[in-house]
Amino acid sequence: GAGVSQTPSNKVTEKGKYVELRCDPISGHTALYWYRQSLGQGPEFLIYFQGTGAADDSGLPNDRFFAVRPEGSVSTLKIQRTERGDSAVYLCASSLLGTGGGDTQYFGPGTRLTVL
Amino acid sequence: GDSVTQMEGPVTLSEEAFLTINCTYTATGYPSLFWYVQYPGEGLQLLLKATKADDKGSNKGFEATYRKETTSFHLEKGSVQVSDSAVYFCALSRDTGRRALTFGSGTRLQVQP
Repeated sequence: GAGVSQTPSNKVTEKGKYVELRCDPISGHTALYWYRQSLGQGPEFLIYFQGTGAADDSGLPNDRFFAVRPEGSVSTLKIQRTERGDSAVYLCASSLLGTGGGDTQYFGPGTRLTVL
Repeated sequence: GDSVTQMEGPVTLSEEAFLTINCTYTATGYPSLFWYVQYPGEGLQLLLKATKADDKGSNKGFEATYRKETTSFHLEKGSVQVSDSAVYFCALSRDTGRRALTFGSGTRLQVQP
């Protein structure tokens, strides 16, 4: 079946602009996660949804970052007033149960965001 | 908080050599442990996992054993191939508190023919 998909694959924007990144999880997966990966580093957690609600948003770096999942499937990560430090690869993952532990997370290919 | 420490790379090996990539963790409770792999130009893929102490995860000739006494989950392969060249990430996840994965910084493996 289809895996996790993310659009766009690449996004170049100017400092101060607003961007939206989209994630389509695996069908039937109740949990959705956003991570950010800087060059040469492991992914860092941003936010986790269980169904439509954000169950844990403790990884969002500041209030310029916001994410929604209105129907419990597709999610959009929104970044306001982008800064050069926001440049990274943004990864989305989904899992069947969202229980953590051994509940495997499946990752999309990522969106590479470049802020000029 | 939770953390994962991996050996720094790059690790450069000749084809058919033995591979070990060290991974140790700090976490409360009994986390599940994972190895993910990122091939050039591709996304993160689950390589193997173990959910409790002394479990051994295995896949594609790779193995890792969950050692609670040493808080380790070292990745091993008996004979690497050029196609194994990739970045390998160790990660943990808990079933209480934060459910997201905590990753190490990754280890780049380069296998030369």
